[in-house]
Amino acid sequence: DAGVIQSPRHEVTEMGQEVTLRCKPISGHDYLFWYRQTMMRGLELLIYFNNNVPIDDSGMPEDRFSAKMPNASFSTLKIQPSEPRDSAVYFCASSLHRQGTQYFGPGTRLLVL
Amino acid sequence: AQTVTQSQPEMSVQEAETVTLSCTYDTSESDYYLFWYKQPPSRQMILVIRQEAYKQQNATENRFSVNFQKAAKSFSLKISDSQLGDAAMYFCAYTPGNQGGSEKLVFGKGTKLTVNP
Repeated sequence: DAGVIQSPRHEVTEMGQEVTLRCKPISGHDYLFWYRQTMMRGLELLIYFNNNVPIDDSGMPEDRFSAKMPNASFSTLKIQPSEPRDSAVYFCASSLHRQGTQYFGPGTRLLVL
Repeated sequence: AQTVTQSQPEMSVQEAETVTLSCTYDTSESDYYLFWYKQPPSRQMILVIRQEAYKQQNATENRFSVNFQKAAKSFSLKISDSQLGDAAMYFCAYTPGNQGGSEKLVFGKGTKLTVNP
C-alpha cells in the first residue's frame, strides 16, 4: 500500500497566484480530509469528504479556498488568489470508515511570498 | 466545543528511560476516540496509538501505552525504553463517536520530545 500521496511536496509562489494541491487517498478509503498546520494555529481541519461528497467545510478560511473530489482516488485543494498568510503545511488524510483511524500524507509545504 | 490540551510544550528523556506525555480533553460526549500521533522532523504524521472511549482496557502498542482515565478526561502516553528515533512532536487528538458528530480530529498543540543519548 502506497499510503496517502500528496503533490507537490513543496510549493513556493508569489502573492496573487493560484495554487493547487493534490491528494490521492488510500485505495478503498471513503473519507478524505484536508488539514492545515501553522505555528500559530496548530493543526486544523479545513474540509472533509465522504464518498466524494463534501460533508463539512466550516474550516475553510474564506472564499479564496476551494476543494473538490471528482472521484474516489483524487482530490484538490485550490487557493486563488494566494496570500502570504496562507503559508503553511497542508495535509491530506484518509480513513476507511466513520471514526476510523486517519492516515496522513506527507504534506505539502506552501510558501507564499 | 471539544478541546484538547497538552500542558507540556517540551519534554526530554534519556535513552532507554521511560517518559509520560500528558493530555486532557473536554467533551460532553460519552462515546469518542482518542489518538496519539507522532510528527518527526520529516513532518509526516504517524499514528502511534488509538483508544476507544468505551473500552476500559488501556491500549498498548509495543513500547507505547496509554493511561486512559475517562472520568478525569485524561489520556497520557507512556513511552518505555525510549529510543533516539522517538524524538518528535507528539500530538494528542480527539474525535467524537456519535453518529451525528463531525469526523474531524481535534488536536492538541503538541509536545516536543527530545531523547538524549
